[in-house]
Amino acid sequence: AQSVTQLGSHVSVSEGALVLLRCNYSSSVPPYLFWYVQYPNQGLQLLLKYTSAATLVKGINGFEAEFKKSETSFHLTKPSAHMSDAAEYFCAVSERDDKIIFGKGTRLHILP
Amino acid sequence: DSGVTQTPKHLITATGQRVTLRCSPRSGDLSVYWYQQSLDQGLQFLIQYYNGEERAKGNILERFSAQQFPDLHSELNLSSLELGDSALYFCASSPIAGVDTQYFGPGTRLTVL
Repeated sequence: AQSVTQLGSHVSVSEGALVLLRCNYSSSVPPYLFWYVQYPNQGLQLLLKYTSAATLVKGINGFEAEFKKSETSFHLTKPSAHMSDAAEYFCAVSERDDKIIFGKGTRLHILP
Repeated sequence: DSGVTQTPKHLITATGQRVTLRCSPRSGDLSVYWYQQSLDQGLQFLIQYYNGEERAKGNILERFSAQQFPDLHSELNLSSLELGDSALYFCASSPIAGVDTQYFGPGTRLTVL
């Protein structure tokens, strides 16, 4: 069965610094992988997704993620953090069926 | 704005009661997904409908049921409510049946007292 582990329930970075949110997955088949962002009092919004094309996936708001099969990882990065990036981020995996499993989420804090 | 609407935004009720949450998908989307988000369980997939038919089931309790109507809106019925059912309930929609880009609604916050 698929699963997702997000390392760190809270991550703090300074404005302008690199953002790195970690996600490791477990899947018995080549997975689909997703990153979603949730702003306070809102629903989730898709940042980017991996569906077996290029391993480096670029998303909205300057975020990108790299699929590394050997490490079973799909870490999310952004070169320079902005105050507006403060939110909760969810990594998710699907075994190409109709179910999607979400991680517990990582709350990103941006320090001025 | 994702184009997915959910009503009501907030719902406060008592244990043992029954409530209905409503979701209207984006125009043209045939799939509707329901999720529960709570502090202890995180975000959990409950159930999916595609064009009126149940397509996938997740961790949905027997006290919960859902349906998708001919106009493609969906309702999630929660009965015999318990304190632990207090959570945010999200609906998401997508154009296709399989998991791909899902567009999430703003959620319904359910509080069971």
